[in-house]
This record gives sequence, structure tokens and C-alpha cells, in this order.
Amino acid sequence: AQKVTQAQTEISVVEKEDVTLDCVYETRDTTYYLFWYKQPPSGELVFLIRRNSFDEQNEISGRYSWNFQKSTSSFNFTITASQVVDSAVYFCALSEARGGSNYKLTFGKGTLLTVNP
Amino acid sequence: EPEVTQTPSHQVTQMGQEVILRCVPISNHLYFYWYRQILGQKVEFLVSFYNNEISEKSEIFDDQFSVERPDGSNFTLKIRSTKLEDSAMYFCARKGTPAGDTQYFGPGTRLTVL
Repeated sequence: AQKVTQAQTEISVVEKEDVTLDCVYETRDTTYYLFWYKQPPSGELVFLIRRNSFDEQNEISGRYSWNFQKSTSSFNFTITASQVVDSAVYFCALSEARGGSNYKLTFGKGTLLTVNP
Repeated sequence: EPEVTQTPSHQVTQMGQEVILRCVPISNHLYFYWYRQILGQKVEFLVSFYNNEISEKSEIFDDQFSVERPDGSNFTLKIRSTKLEDSAMYFCARKGTPAGDTQYFGPGTRLTVL
């Protein structure tokens, strides 16, 4: 069965600090997809990034970067120069790609990030 | 413009009543999902719907739950006899056909069972 662990329940930083959110996953599949979603206080789930298991290249998008390491089954998310608007719950999720499957998402418990001014 | 719209945004009901939550995808997709999030907890998979059939359901999705796509557009989740523990945010999501395509979520319906 697939599993996602986000060991950090809450993180509090001061604006402009860098912060890394950890995500460790378990799966028996060789083909799978990893995602990060942001849930701001308004409650919606906002897609941030998707990676497939065959692409270990790190990705940078503005202040956001992601470090995918299959060797440690980790998909960590770093926010550089954090801002108050980054305050949210961040979820890591895993989808397996079995043939004919439904690609359901398994979510971690989320990390509440608070960025203080 | 949201990928998916959901109605109502908030539903309050009495225990034992039936509720219907609605989801309208903006685009025409084959894969639809319902997830729920109990306040302060993680997002949990309920059911997936592919090509107008349930393709997988979780242990949470018992006989009290049902889904359908009655008019080929709206996608509904029905809870026949609500319980206090059904109070949660319910999210609809849609996905394109490519394997591992991103699931885009609607804004959610907050269900409160009294």
C-alpha cells in the first residue's frame, strides 16, 4: 500500500527565511507520481507541482524548489525567502500508475507553515 | 476560472438526513474523484469514477455513500443518512486521461451535521 509521511506537523519562520518541508513516501510500484498541494486558510487545494518517478531532476519555480531523491524516497519542498502569503498547510501526495487503476491520491498529513512578519 | 465548481459551499444538516453534494467540471474529463477532509486532518480518498462507473472506493465509502453522474455533466455525492462523523470538507477533483495527470480540485463543500 502507498504511504506518505510528512513528519513536520508545524513550522514557524520569520519572513525572508528559507524553509524546507519534508516528504517521505512508500510505494511498491516502479511508476508513480508525486505532488505538492497548498491549502491556504481559505481552504481550497491548490496544485503546485507534479513529478513522475522517472524524472529525478530538481525543479525550481520562482521562490519554490523541489528535491526528488528516489534513493531516500523523498520529495522535499523548499521555499526561499518566505513571505507571509506562503502561510498555509502544504500537502505532499502520491499516485500510483498501475494499469487500469484510478490514480487515486494518497496524501500526507500536511505541514502547517506559518510565516511571521 | 476554477477547474471544478462545487455546490453548495456550505451545507448544514440534521443527523439522519440525506445530503447531495454537487460537482461540475469545467472541462470534459473522464476521471472524477471525491475526497474528504475532517477538520484539521489529512485529505482522504473516498471514491473514483471513471467512464461513468465507480472504479475504486475506500473503506470510508460504505453503503451510506453513492455517486452518480446523472446528466453527463454534474457529478454528485450522496450521503443517505448523515452521521455526526460525516462533518467534513468534501472535495471533488477531476483528472485528464494521461497517466499520472494532475488532479485539480474544486473549492470544496463544508458539510456540518448537527
